[in-house]
Amino acid sequence: GIQVEQSPPDLILQEGANSTLRCNFSDSVNNLQWFHQNPWGQLINLFYIPSGTKQNGRLSATTVATERYSLLYISSSQTTDSGVYFCAGEGFNQGGKLIFGQGTELSVKP
Amino acid sequence: EPEVTQTPSHQVTQMGQEVILRCVPISNHLYFYWYRQILGQKVEFLVSFYNNEISEKSEIFDDQFSVERPDGSNFTLKIRSTKLEDSAMYFCASSPGLNNEQFFGPGTRLTVL
Repeated sequence: GIQVEQSPPDLILQEGANSTLRCNFSDSVNNLQWFHQNPWGQLINLFYIPSGTKQNGRLSATTVATERYSLLYISSSQTTDSGVYFCAGEGFNQGGKLIFGQGTELSVKP
Repeated sequence: EPEVTQTPSHQVTQMGQEVILRCVPISNHLYFYWYRQILGQKVEFLVSFYNNEISEKSEIFDDQFSVERPDGSNFTLKIRSTKLEDSAMYFCASSPGLNNEQFFGPGTRLTVL
């Protein structure tokens, strides 16, 4: 199966700063999702983005499928953005099996 | 907006006991999944389920685990004889089709004593 690597593992920001989180995957994917895990442990869907670019408010994501990476951009960060960000990919013919990265733990300071 | 629900939110059990975790997927979705997350670690795939059959399962999903869709709305994960290492957050997810976006429930935190 595919392997998913995220960077950086940890990130500390001052409120208002911008950041970029990266996700590399070892093989082609036909599903790529970004999640935010909040302090209560819930996984919140951010983007379903197997290719292309999407934006939702202060967040945007880009997946370059041919180069096997995805980026999550957070602009004007807020303390409520704190938590762990996961990307997850599904390889071809994997029966829906999403493989998660290790996550990026983001802490936004006031 | 439709969402995946899970019950209970937290379950405490004794080692060796059977537990059943319950999920109600989004109503028009056809694919269902279970994942788990041991504290401080990444989320791991357990099993996918479609048309009343297991589509894919991981090496974690051994004979102690089983899944069932007992009626038109519920999707359950049974752990036959729990071990200490089964303590984790268990997430249910559903999707309208294969390779579609998966939507996750809030999770059940299982603690095995």
